[in-house]
Amino acid sequence: AQSVAQPEDQVNVAEGNPLTVKCTYSVSGNPYLFWYVQYPNRGLQFLLKYITGDNLVKGSYGFEAEFNKSQTSFHLKKPSALVSDSALYFCAVRERDSSYKLIFGSGTRLLVRP
Amino acid sequence: DAGVIQSPRHEVTEMGQEVTLRCKPISGHNSLFWYRQTMMRGLELLIYFNNNVPIDDSGMPEDRFSAKMPNASFSTLKIQPSEPRDSAVYFCASSLETQAPGDTQYFGPGTRLTVL
Repeated sequence: AQSVAQPEDQVNVAEGNPLTVKCTYSVSGNPYLFWYVQYPNRGLQFLLKYITGDNLVKGSYGFEAEFNKSQTSFHLKKPSALVSDSALYFCAVRERDSSYKLIFGSGTRLLVRP
Repeated sequence: DAGVIQSPRHEVTEMGQEVTLRCKPISGHNSLFWYRQTMMRGLELLIYFNNNVPIDDSGMPEDRFSAKMPNASFSTLKIQPSEPRDSAVYFCASSLETQAPGDTQYFGPGTRLTVL
């Protein structure tokens, strides 16, 4: 069965330090991979996606993610965290033969302290 | 450029009442999704429309839930009768489904529903 795992409920980092939010998946074939961010009382905002090609994908607000096929992972990273990055982050996958169905992880809360 | 618009943003109702949630997708998008978000179950896809036609409603929890898309710019999700366990945040999302891979879904701000 398709699944997405975000093993950490919360990630705490100091402002200015690098951050990583982890995501692993179990989907047949080579899926499409997405990261979304949710700020309090807001909808999900698209950050970035992996379709094909370069394993390092750059997205909005200085975020990037690295696709690792052998480890079936798609970790979200940022070289220098900002307090304003504090939010809930969701990883999502979609099988290539599915035109629409996104499977979401449970979310990871990122807390960046000043 | 307006994103996905949802109304109301908050709804408080009593058990047994009918609730109607509304969504206006991004202009030009041909696919629309309704999701439900709860602490226990996370984000769940309820129903998916393509070109105003329901394609997948397997996530609709029970007959109390119904969704319509009478035209390309409007959709409703109705719960009748509502129950306390329906309390959740309901999101609408839209995308432009093309032959290109990896179409992105764009989400609205959500409707927070509380059923007393």
